[in-house]
Order: sequence, then C-alpha cells, then structure tokens
Amino acid sequence: DAGVTQSPTHLIKTRGQQVTLRCSPISGHKSVSWYQQVLGQGPQFIFQYYEKEERGRGNFPDRFSARQFPNYSSELNVNALLLGDSALYLCASSNRGSVSYGYTFGSGTRLTVV
Amino acid sequence: TQLLEQSPQFLSIQEGENLTVYCNSSSVFSSLQWYRQEPGEGPVLLVTVVTGGEVKKLKRLTFQFGDARKDSSLHITAAQPGDTGLYLCAGEGGSEKLVFGKGTKLTVNP
Repeated sequence: DAGVTQSPTHLIKTRGQQVTLRCSPISGHKSVSWYQQVLGQGPQFIFQYYEKEERGRGNFPDRFSARQFPNYSSELNVNALLLGDSALYLCASSNRGSVSYGYTFGSGTRLTVV
Repeated sequence: TQLLEQSPQFLSIQEGENLTVYCNSSSVFSSLQWYRQEPGEGPVLLVTVVTGGEVKKLKRLTFQFGDARKDSSLHITAAQPGDTGLYLCAGEGGSEKLVFGKGTKLTVNP
C-alpha cells in the first residue's frame, strides 16, 4: 500500500509568489493534517481536515489556506510568500478523526523562498 | 500556550551505550506520542501513551508517561547505529493538533 504522498518534493519560489502543495493520504484515511517544520525545530500545526471539514487551525496568518477534496486528498496554499516560509511542509493522515491515535506522515515538500 | 521541552537537544554516544531522552511540560496532555525522523523524511510514529504512569516497550526502546501526564521519557538500551535520528515527542494539544517538542538529535557511533 502506498503511504502518504506529497508533491512536489522540492520547490523554489520567489518572495511574493504563491505556492500550492499537494497531499494524498493513505487509502481509506479520511483525516489530513498539515505541519510546518523549520530547520532545527519540531513540526508546527497548520491545519487539520476530517471528512472534508476543517477541524483545527494553528497560529498561522491568513496567507495560509487549505482544503480537502471528496477523495480526501488535500492542498495547502500559501500566498505572498515570505523568506520565513522556507521550511519542510509535512502532510499527515489518519483513519480516525482524533489525533490520539497518531499520524502517518509523508516525506514532505521542501519549500525554499528566495 | 502548550509547550514541550525536550532534553538533551543533542546526544552523541557509542554503540552499546544506554540513553534516556526527556520530554517535559507544565501542561497536561491526554496522550503523548514519540516519533523518529530521519533526514529528508517525515516523522515515523513509534508509540502512543495515554494513561498516566503507562510504560510501553518496543524492543530496546522503553517509553514512560508521567503519572500526571505532563512528562514522558524514552530510554534506549544498547543503542545501535540504526537508532540514529531525530526523536520527537508530541502531545495531543486539543483542536485536533499535535504539539511537538524541538527534538533530540541522536547519533550512535559504531
């Protein structure tokens, strides 16, 4: 079975541009979460979606948005990119609505803003 | 704001040694998870602990959740080079999010 797949794996963008990151959860998993991991830090929560509804939002500006599609895949959009948005963006899926059972993470998208 | 403090931040040991990584908070968590992350990869779930005082063993790894559910530890016995990686603790922080510590970067030298 395929794990959590994210695309692209690497991306270089210029300040002010917009970016869309994509995530396909494990087949049958209805919950998708997004995390940002800056070098040397632990992942920080951005969004969680379950059954296509937003269930949680972290402390990120409105430039960050996300959505979940009927097939449970998800997109993370970031507008007006800043240098500080450079990070590894991780998608995680779960077959349950509660975070208590843990997540399966993808390998991430490495975003570099120049 | 819920915070998880991990210590030590860096740990370099020889193969065969034992080690303990700590994860502490002033907040109570309903569950706590440990992940291991290798360079260029996402974190991989090792264990979830839910009950205060709970101890779980995974081969040479022993995980403990504090009685008050504010802290946890990871003990590795007879470390091997394959144990090298970034160890992250994460607490269930409400609103369906995980609160991660900064991680402990472990290097096991052959």
